[in-house]
Amino acid sequence: DTAVSQTPKYLVTQMGNDKSIKCEQNLGHDTMYWYKQDSKKFLKIMFSYNNKELIINETVPNRFSPKSPDKAHLNLHINSLELGDSAVYFCASSPLILLAGGRWETQYFGPGTRLLVL
Amino acid sequence: KQEVTQIPAALSVPEGENLVLNCSFTDSAIYNLQWFRQDPGKGLTSLLLIQSSQREQTSGRLNASLDKSSGRSTLYIAASQPGDSATYLCAVPPAPGGYNKLIFGAGTRLAVHP
Repeated sequence: DTAVSQTPKYLVTQMGNDKSIKCEQNLGHDTMYWYKQDSKKFLKIMFSYNNKELIINETVPNRFSPKSPDKAHLNLHINSLELGDSAVYFCASSPLILLAGGRWETQYFGPGTRLLVL
Repeated sequence: KQEVTQIPAALSVPEGENLVLNCSFTDSAIYNLQWFRQDPGKGLTSLLLIQSSQREQTSGRLNASLDKSSGRSTLYIAASQPGDSATYLCAVPPAPGGYNKLIFGAGTRLAVHP
């Protein structure tokens, strides 16, 4: 059983196109995330949703729009794709833990979607 | 702003060696630190999570230590094996009071050859 799954695994497209990446988790977690890993291998958070509500938005161009139809799914839609959008996009999930509350829970990552914009 | 640095960027060793991977962070007011493993073409797997009240965590041949005051963590791998070849990432939350997001280092790419 796959805990966090993403589709597609690979995505090759032309500049200017619109594309979506889907993510699903079967762990019963409240919170889901999108991270971007660029060519230099830096992983950076983009968005986080808790139970369908946006809680983190890290200065991402508004061409990127996350959508959460329910707490088990968090999709990423990208409009007008640019060359610089080429990267690996990772979805993750975890229980919601406010850091002020102390204890931390790990995040579970999907296998990634490799996006190449030509 | 929290920044995470990992040294070395890459490491190639013969099988059987004991290894130390280093991670440093700029803001010592962290709740915890986490080590992940990333295999090529795959997602991240959590290896060890050290809560701020702990100084180290062990799992099999892996031992991670945390020194908050100096802003450092080390991942010790004993008796390395070719199957340990992967990229190792450390990550911390950005600051107290925030949500559950992680700031990652660039990783150490490890190759263990027979």
